[in-house]
Amino acid sequence: ETGVTQSPTHLIKTRGQQVTLRCSSQSGHNTVSWYQQALGQGPQFIFQYYREEENGRGNFPPRFSGLQFPNYSSELNVNALELDDSALYLCASSDGRREAFFGQGTRLTVV
Amino acid sequence: GQQVMQIPQYQHVQEGEDFTTYCNSSTTLSNIQWYKQRPGGHPVFLIQLVKSGEVKKQKRLTFQFGEAKKNSSLHITATQTTDVGTYFCAGPSGAGSYQLTFGKGTKLSVIP
Repeated sequence: ETGVTQSPTHLIKTRGQQVTLRCSSQSGHNTVSWYQQALGQGPQFIFQYYREEENGRGNFPPRFSGLQFPNYSSELNVNALELDDSALYLCASSDGRREAFFGQGTRLTVV
Repeated sequence: GQQVMQIPQYQHVQEGEDFTTYCNSSTTLSNIQWYKQRPGGHPVFLIQLVKSGEVKKQKRLTFQFGEAKKNSSLHITATQTTDVGTYFCAGPSGAGSYQLTFGKGTKLSVIP
């Protein structure tokens, strides 16, 4: 186990709704990244937080937003859900120097 | 933007056969990382290569980083059913960046 936990594990939402996904990073890790993995694809980088500040963003619209808290846990918020947002959302934590450790992911289905 | 490509997309092998997946980046990489994702699971870090021409071994797995630091390969000798999964390579999006660009992965099936 990596020590990175995500909640919930599965979620079903209706198009147009909003969703919040949560991630607890591994102890000692101050960097959290979020990835979206569509079925049959590799993870795509959404954004990264370092010490509560966003320090990098991939090609995702502003309705994807996030937060990192003082304990380095993090949230991913998605507004105005679309059917194409259905995917596995992965959180990865690192100490900024070595490899990233992924959580088990949240599988979001938008209907 | 940076692109990371992997081939083949799928590979079916008989147990005991060897397997190789290849990874190519559109840009020079400071390092390359390999991950394995079991069916229904999440990516698990396997290894990071940093030096040009670097070769690293983990039991039956051999990882190579190209001289130009734009390509890499993963070779598995004598596959076992436990090797089933999708293998991804990933490279940093920029100098000093820990934001990874992943390839689409190679899905390995092992026939007992």
